[in-house]
Amino acid sequence: EVLLVESGGGSVQPGGSLGLSCAASGFTFNNFAMSWVRQAPGKGLEWVSSITGNGDITFYADSVKGRFTASRDNSNNRLYLHMNSLRAEDTAVYFCARFAVSIHSFDVWGQGTMVTVSS
Amino acid sequence: EIVLTQSPGTLSLSPGERVTLSCKASQYVTSSYLAWYQQKPGQAPRLLIYGASTRAAGIPDRFSGSGSGTDFTLTINRLEPEDFAVYYCQQCGSSPWTFGQGTKVEIK
Repeated sequence: EVLLVESGGGSVQPGGSLGLSCAASGFTFNNFAMSWVRQAPGKGLEWVSSITGNGDITFYADSVKGRFTASRDNSNNRLYLHMNSLRAEDTAVYFCARFAVSIHSFDVWGQGTMVTVSS
Repeated sequence: EIVLTQSPGTLSLSPGERVTLSCKASQYVTSSYLAWYQQKPGQAPRLLIYGASTRAAGIPDRFSGSGSGTDFTLTINRLEPEDFAVYYCQQCGSSPWTFGQGTKVEIK
C-alpha cells in the first residue's frame, strides 16, 4: 500500500522554528518529486514547496521563501520541511504529497499534521 | 501567478442531481497541467481528474472533466451521498503552482 505519514506538528511561538517529517512507504521514493501543501483553518489549499526526486532542486512559494527548507533522505524514504521565523499566518495543516510527473498532479497525500503559531 | 477562480462558492443539491463546477484561470493553462481534487472534512484531498479530463485510478465514471485554455469544468452526474465535499482545481504549468479557492457541494 502506498502511504505517506506526516509527523512533527505542534504549537510554536511567533519567530520560532519547527521541523516536519513525512515517512513514505509502498513505492520507490526516489523516483518521485515530493511536495508540501498547507491548509489554514477553514481555508483552501496552498502549495508550499516541492523537491525533485534526487533532492537537488527545490521550489518554494513566495510566502515561505527564505524561511522554509525542504529536504529528503532517500535512503530512509523521508521528506522534511524545516520552518524558521514562523508567523501566525503559517498556522495550518501541512500535507505531504507525492507529485507524479507523468500526470502532473498530486496523486498520493498524507493525512496532514497541524502547525499552530501563537503566543 | 496564475489565479484560479472557482464558481460557485457553494452549491446546495440533492442526491441524484447533476452538478457542474467551473474553474477559470487568469492566464492560459495547458490542459495537461490542470487537475481536480475532492476533499471531505478532516481528510486529505483526493485526486479525481488529471490532464483536465482523465479520471484518476478508482474514480467512478460519474466524474468527468473538460475544458481548455482558461476555462475548465468538473461535472458529476447523479450525485451520490459520498460526493458531498469541497472540490478544488489546481494548475502546475506555471510557478507558483496554484489552487482554486474551492467549491463546496452540500446536501440540500
